[in-house]
Amino acid sequence: TQLLEQSPQFLSIQEGENLTVYCNSSSVFSSLQWYRQEPGEGPVLLVTVVTGGEVKKLKRLTFQFGDARKDSSLHITAAQPGDTGLYLCAGAFNAGNNRKLIWGLGTSLAVNP
Amino acid sequence: NAGVTQTPKFRILKIGQSMTLQCTQDMNHNYMYWYRQDPGMGLKLIYYSVGAGITDKGEVPNGYNVSRSTTEDFPLRLELAAPSQTSVYFCASSYSTSGRTPGELFFGEGSRLTVL
Repeated sequence: TQLLEQSPQFLSIQEGENLTVYCNSSSVFSSLQWYRQEPGEGPVLLVTVVTGGEVKKLKRLTFQFGDARKDSSLHITAAQPGDTGLYLCAGAFNAGNNRKLIWGLGTSLAVNP
Repeated sequence: NAGVTQTPKFRILKIGQSMTLQCTQDMNHNYMYWYRQDPGMGLKLIYYSVGAGITDKGEVPNGYNVSRSTTEDFPLRLELAAPSQTSVYFCASSYSTSGRTPGELFFGEGSRLTVL
Protein backbone atom coordinates (compact mmCIF):
# COMPACT_ATOMS: atom_id res chain seq x y z
CA THR A 1 0.00 0.00 0.00
CA GLN A 2 1.39 3.35 -1.02
CA LEU A 3 1.45 6.02 1.65
CA LEU A 4 2.47 9.65 1.57
CA GLU A 5 3.43 11.30 4.84
CA GLN A 6 3.50 15.05 5.13
CA SER A 7 5.22 16.98 7.87
CA PRO A 8 4.67 19.07 9.78
CA GLN A 9 0.90 18.73 10.05
CA PHE A 10 0.50 22.29 11.33
CA LEU A 11 2.77 25.31 11.08
CA SER A 12 2.22 28.83 12.39
CA ILE A 13 4.89 31.40 11.61
CA GLN A 14 5.42 35.15 11.40
CA GLU A 15 5.51 37.07 8.15
CA GLY A 16 9.00 37.11 6.69
CA GLU A 17 10.11 33.74 8.07
CA ASN A 18 11.24 30.83 5.92
CA LEU A 19 9.76 27.34 6.12
CA THR A 20 10.03 23.88 4.61
CA VAL A 21 7.29 21.30 4.24
CA TYR A 22 8.09 17.64 3.55
CA CYS A 23 6.35 14.85 1.69
CA ASN A 24 7.81 11.37 2.19
CA SER A 25 7.06 7.85 1.04
CA SER A 26 8.67 4.42 0.82
CA SER A 27 7.25 4.08 -2.68
CA VAL A 28 8.61 5.39 -5.95
CA PHE A 29 6.36 7.75 -7.85
CA SER A 30 6.29 8.52 -11.54
CA SER A 31 5.55 12.14 -10.66
CA LEU A 32 4.49 14.26 -7.72
CA GLN A 33 2.24 17.27 -7.51
CA TRP A 34 1.86 20.03 -4.92
CA TYR A 35 -1.48 21.77 -4.42
CA ARG A 36 -2.59 24.65 -2.19
CA GLN A 37 -6.10 24.80 -0.80
CA GLU A 38 -7.63 27.92 0.70
CA PRO A 39 -10.63 27.76 3.06
CA GLY A 40 -13.91 27.11 1.27
CA GLU A 41 -12.23 26.29 -2.03
CA GLY A 42 -10.85 23.30 -3.90
CA PRO A 43 -7.12 22.59 -4.18
CA VAL A 44 -5.20 24.41 -6.90
CA LEU A 45 -2.10 22.97 -8.55
CA LEU A 46 1.20 24.69 -7.75
CA VAL A 47 3.69 22.42 -9.52
CA THR A 48 4.34 18.97 -10.95
CA VAL A 49 7.78 17.37 -10.60
CA VAL A 50 8.73 14.39 -12.71
CA THR A 51 12.49 13.84 -12.75
CA GLY A 52 14.51 12.67 -9.74
CA GLY A 53 16.50 15.58 -8.31
CA GLU A 54 14.37 18.12 -10.16
CA VAL A 55 14.07 21.61 -8.64
CA LYS A 56 11.33 24.02 -9.68
CA LYS A 57 10.78 27.58 -8.53
CA LEU A 58 7.54 29.53 -8.42
CA LYS A 59 8.35 33.03 -7.15
CA ARG A 60 9.19 32.51 -3.44
CA LEU A 61 8.33 28.79 -3.51
CA THR A 62 10.98 26.16 -4.30
CA PHE A 63 10.00 22.56 -4.94
CA GLN A 64 12.40 19.63 -5.00
CA PHE A 65 11.83 16.00 -6.01
CA GLY A 66 14.12 13.49 -4.32
CA ASP A 67 16.74 11.70 -6.39
CA ALA A 68 14.95 8.37 -5.86
CA ARG A 69 11.52 9.92 -6.58
CA LYS A 70 10.26 8.87 -3.13
CA ASP A 71 10.10 12.26 -1.45
CA SER A 72 9.66 15.94 -2.09
CA SER A 73 9.99 19.25 -0.27
CA LEU A 74 8.44 22.68 -0.56
CA HIS A 75 10.44 25.64 0.71
CA ILE A 76 8.87 29.09 1.10
CA THR A 77 11.14 32.09 1.46
CA ALA A 78 9.96 35.20 3.31
CA ALA A 79 6.45 33.87 3.91
CA GLN A 80 3.53 36.28 3.50
CA PRO A 81 -0.03 36.12 4.89
CA GLY A 82 -1.22 35.26 1.37
CA ASP A 83 0.69 31.97 1.65
CA THR A 84 -1.72 30.80 4.35
CA GLY A 85 -3.53 27.61 3.38
CA LEU A 86 -3.41 23.83 3.29
CA TYR A 87 -0.53 22.42 1.24
CA LEU A 88 -1.15 18.97 -0.21
CA CYS A 89 1.21 16.65 -2.02
CA ALA A 90 -0.05 13.95 -4.36
CA GLY A 91 2.06 11.13 -5.81
CA ALA A 92 1.23 9.43 -9.08
CA PHE A 93 1.86 5.77 -9.85
CA ASN A 94 0.70 3.33 -12.50
CA ALA A 95 -1.79 0.64 -11.47
CA GLY A 96 -2.51 -1.62 -14.40
CA ASN A 97 -3.88 0.45 -17.25
CA ASN A 98 -4.73 3.37 -15.02
CA ARG A 99 -2.70 6.08 -13.38
CA LYS A 100 -3.57 6.72 -9.75
CA LEU A 101 -2.89 9.49 -7.30
CA ILE A 102 -2.39 9.13 -3.59
CA TRP A 103 -2.63 12.17 -1.35
CA GLY A 104 -0.83 13.24 1.76
CA LEU A 105 -2.92 14.57 4.67
CA GLY A 106 -1.60 18.07 4.14
CA THR A 107 0.29 20.76 6.02
CA SER A 108 -1.85 23.58 7.36
CA LEU A 109 0.18 26.80 7.21
CA ALA A 110 -0.76 30.03 8.97
CA VAL A 111 1.37 33.10 8.29
CA ASN A 112 0.70 35.84 10.81
CA PRO A 113 1.21 39.52 9.89
CA ASN B 1 -14.34 30.36 -17.84
CA ALA B 2 -16.43 27.97 -15.72
CA GLY B 3 -14.02 25.01 -15.23
CA VAL B 4 -15.59 22.49 -12.81
CA THR B 5 -19.00 23.38 -11.44
CA GLN B 6 -20.56 21.59 -8.49
CA THR B 7 -24.07 21.94 -7.11
CA PRO B 8 -25.35 22.34 -4.49
CA LYS B 9 -22.76 24.14 -2.34
CA PHE B 10 -24.53 23.25 0.89
CA ARG B 11 -27.12 20.63 1.80
CA ILE B 12 -28.57 19.18 4.96
CA LEU B 13 -30.05 15.69 4.73
CA LYS B 14 -31.92 13.52 7.15
CA ILE B 15 -30.74 9.97 7.79
CA GLY B 16 -32.09 7.68 5.09
CA GLN B 17 -32.70 10.38 2.50
CA SER B 18 -31.09 10.25 -0.94
CA MET B 19 -29.62 12.96 -3.10
CA THR B 20 -27.41 13.62 -6.09
CA LEU B 21 -24.42 15.94 -6.18
CA GLN B 22 -24.02 17.38 -9.64
CA CYS B 23 -20.68 17.98 -11.34
CA THR B 24 -20.00 19.34 -14.80
CA GLN B 25 -16.81 20.42 -16.55
CA ASP B 26 -16.36 22.39 -19.75
CA MET B 27 -12.69 21.60 -20.43
CA ASN B 28 -13.25 18.35 -22.41
CA HIS B 29 -11.25 16.43 -19.79
CA ASN B 30 -11.31 12.65 -20.00
CA TYR B 31 -10.74 11.93 -16.29
CA MET B 32 -13.23 12.91 -13.61
CA TYR B 33 -13.10 12.21 -9.88
CA TRP B 34 -15.16 12.47 -6.73
CA TYR B 35 -13.34 13.01 -3.43
CA ARG B 36 -14.49 13.54 0.11
CA GLN B 37 -12.49 15.62 2.56
CA ASP B 38 -12.85 15.27 6.30
CA PRO B 39 -10.88 17.34 8.84
CA GLY B 40 -7.39 15.93 9.30
CA MET B 41 -8.09 13.03 6.93
CA GLY B 42 -6.99 14.44 3.60
CA LEU B 43 -8.70 13.68 0.30
CA LYS B 44 -10.26 10.26 -0.11
CA LEU B 45 -11.19 9.05 -3.59
CA ILE B 46 -14.79 7.81 -3.84
CA TYR B 47 -15.16 7.06 -7.57
CA TYR B 48 -13.41 8.05 -10.74
CA SER B 49 -14.00 7.84 -14.47
CA VAL B 50 -11.51 7.66 -17.32
CA GLY B 51 -14.06 8.53 -19.96
CA ALA B 52 -17.76 8.50 -20.84
CA GLY B 53 -19.36 5.18 -19.98
CA ILE B 54 -16.47 4.04 -17.75
CA THR B 55 -16.44 4.33 -13.96
CA ASP B 56 -14.42 2.65 -11.24
CA LYS B 57 -14.33 2.51 -7.46
CA GLY B 58 -11.87 4.47 -5.41
CA GLU B 59 -10.86 4.00 -1.78
CA VAL B 60 -14.25 4.68 -0.14
CA PRO B 61 -17.09 3.84 -2.57
CA ASN B 62 -19.59 2.27 -0.14
CA GLY B 63 -22.86 4.19 0.05
CA TYR B 64 -22.28 6.03 -3.22
CA ASN B 65 -22.95 5.53 -6.92
CA VAL B 66 -21.85 7.39 -10.03
CA SER B 67 -22.54 7.48 -13.73
CA ARG B 68 -20.73 9.06 -16.68
CA SER B 69 -23.09 9.24 -19.63
CA THR B 70 -21.32 12.26 -21.17
CA THR B 71 -17.79 13.65 -21.08
CA GLU B 72 -19.01 16.74 -19.24
CA ASP B 73 -21.12 15.33 -16.40
CA PHE B 74 -20.25 13.08 -13.47
CA PRO B 75 -23.04 13.04 -10.84
CA LEU B 76 -22.54 11.40 -7.44
CA ARG B 77 -25.56 9.67 -5.91
CA LEU B 78 -25.94 9.11 -2.18
CA GLU B 79 -28.45 6.44 -1.29
CA LEU B 80 -29.78 6.13 2.26
CA ALA B 81 -27.68 8.94 3.73
CA ALA B 82 -25.86 8.20 7.00
CA PRO B 83 -24.14 10.55 9.49
CA SER B 84 -20.79 9.06 8.39
CA GLN B 85 -21.35 10.71 5.00
CA THR B 86 -21.21 14.17 6.53
CA SER B 87 -18.26 15.69 4.69
CA VAL B 88 -17.11 18.14 2.06
CA TYR B 89 -17.28 16.60 -1.41
CA PHE B 90 -15.06 17.72 -4.26
CA CYS B 91 -15.42 16.92 -7.92
CA ALA B 92 -12.32 17.22 -10.08
CA SER B 93 -11.31 16.67 -13.67
CA SER B 94 -8.06 16.25 -15.56
CA TYR B 95 -6.72 15.51 -19.00
CA SER B 96 -4.51 12.45 -18.80
CA THR B 97 -2.49 10.75 -21.50
CA SER B 98 -0.12 7.80 -21.31
CA GLY B 99 2.69 9.98 -19.92
CA ARG B 100 4.13 9.88 -16.41
CA THR B 101 1.92 12.60 -14.99
CA PRO B 102 -1.82 12.40 -14.27
CA GLY B 103 -2.26 15.91 -15.56
CA GLU B 104 -3.38 18.87 -13.49
CA LEU B 105 -6.50 18.20 -11.46
CA PHE B 106 -9.02 21.03 -11.59
CA PHE B 107 -11.34 21.04 -8.59
CA GLY B 108 -14.77 22.44 -8.05
CA GLU B 109 -15.50 24.64 -5.05
CA GLY B 110 -16.90 21.76 -3.03
CA SER B 111 -20.28 20.69 -1.69
CA ARG B 112 -20.70 20.68 2.08
CA LEU B 113 -23.10 17.92 3.12
CA THR B 114 -24.46 17.39 6.62
CA VAL B 115 -26.49 14.30 7.50
CA LEU B 116 -28.54 14.60 10.68
